[in-house]
Amino acid sequence: NAGVTQTPKFQVLKTGQSMTLQCAQDMNHEYMSWYRQDPGMGLRLIHYSVGAGITDQGEVPNGYNVSRSTTEDFPLRLLSAAPSQTSVYFCATRNHKTGYNEQFFGPGTRLTVL
Amino acid sequence: KQEVTQIPAALSVPEGENLVLNCSFTDSAIYNLQWFRQDPGKGLTSLLLIQSSQREQTSGRLNASLDKSSGRSTLYIAASQPGDSATYLCAATSGGSNYKLTFGKGTLLTVNP
Repeated sequence: NAGVTQTPKFQVLKTGQSMTLQCAQDMNHEYMSWYRQDPGMGLRLIHYSVGAGITDQGEVPNGYNVSRSTTEDFPLRLLSAAPSQTSVYFCATRNHKTGYNEQFFGPGTRLTVL
Repeated sequence: KQEVTQIPAALSVPEGENLVLNCSFTDSAIYNLQWFRQDPGKGLTSLLLIQSSQREQTSGRLNASLDKSSGRSTLYIAASQPGDSATYLCAATSGGSNYKLTFGKGTLLTVNP
């Protein structure tokens, strides 16, 4: 049981490049989400999904796209990277159907945009 | 809009001391409150989750309390150890269909040997 996995762990991009941050979970959780963590700003919600085929925007969605074709995977796409997107990105899952709602986080992807 | 505040931003204590970390939230209509630990360069590890109907949760040397009416939660760490040094984050899950999690900015705890 791997829990929540994220790839890559580190990435350096040039302004304007595109890339996809991968997130996968093996806990069969319906709810998945992406956060970014910046110094002095805390963790902020980018996008979330309550199940396959359903996504919605969080607090800071601009510049990011998501899709959810399976329960297990929730990739985050940067279409045209900007220096303001330099951050640490965390994927999280939750089994909200149990009513317990404990949230589990992946190890993070550290992204630098030059 | 839910806002979560953690005070102090940083705390330094000698080994063996008991300590309390504070978390306050503006909207008392929360579903639950979760405490996390984050080590430098690492992800978040869940420590304790308190449902809105509960008053406290305990795990080993950790005890978390919740007072919805006053909008406060505390994390009590007994007999602190250098290995407890980390950033501690609290997060409130708001009610409703999307169960948004709002984080505080964390308290950086240093336990000195």
